[in-house]
Amino acid sequence: AAGVIQSPRHLIKEKRETATLKCYPIPRHDTVYWYQQGPGQDPQFLISFYEKMQSDKGSIPDRFSAQQFSDYHSELNMSSLELGDSALYFCASRVRQTYTGELFFGEGSRLTVL
Amino acid sequence: GESVGLHLPTLSVQEGDNSIINCAYSNSASDYFIWYKQESGKGPQFIIDIRSNMDKRQGQRVTVLLNKTVKHLSLQIAATQPGDSAVYFCGGGIQGAQKLVFGQGTRLTINP
Repeated sequence: AAGVIQSPRHLIKEKRETATLKCYPIPRHDTVYWYQQGPGQDPQFLISFYEKMQSDKGSIPDRFSAQQFSDYHSELNMSSLELGDSALYFCASRVRQTYTGELFFGEGSRLTVL
Repeated sequence: GESVGLHLPTLSVQEGDNSIINCAYSNSASDYFIWYKQESGKGPQFIIDIRSNMDKRQGQRVTVLLNKTVKHLSLQIAATQPGDSAVYFCGGGIQGAQKLVFGQGTRLTINP
């Protein structure tokens, strides 16, 4: 079965650079979530989108922005990178009308800021 | 505010024994709660969820118990297997809100 695809899987950037992460949800899933997970930490909710509109916002820094496109894929843009942005970034998707707590997560994108 | 947290960061059990992982929450507005499993280097994987109007739900080898009086959630894993070794996260959300909040994970280690 198709899963959530994230790219790139690994990314190394310098401080103050910009990075873009991409997420391709499971086909027919209309809702996308972004999470940030630092080493030994729980996944922190950043932002979610439903039908290309921002749905909920969590602890996403102002330096970050995200959007969902017409084909439902999503991109997380991170600017003025800081050392503390080094983390695993997960994308998850689901069909909004499924009234369960099940999100389908991708394998994550590991960002290292040097 | 929303807060979901766990009592213990690590738990070691013998293979074949039952495991119980506990979680406390503070947001009474949550109308469903979840448990996820995360293996090393992988994304979180859904295990089971429970609505706030329930106090128990069973899945395959897992049972989730919800005690709203003391704001406590637990995950019971029966006959633990080596493949159960992972970090387990509890979480909660509000129906209609596209936001799922996770608490601090518990690392479950299965001893042979």
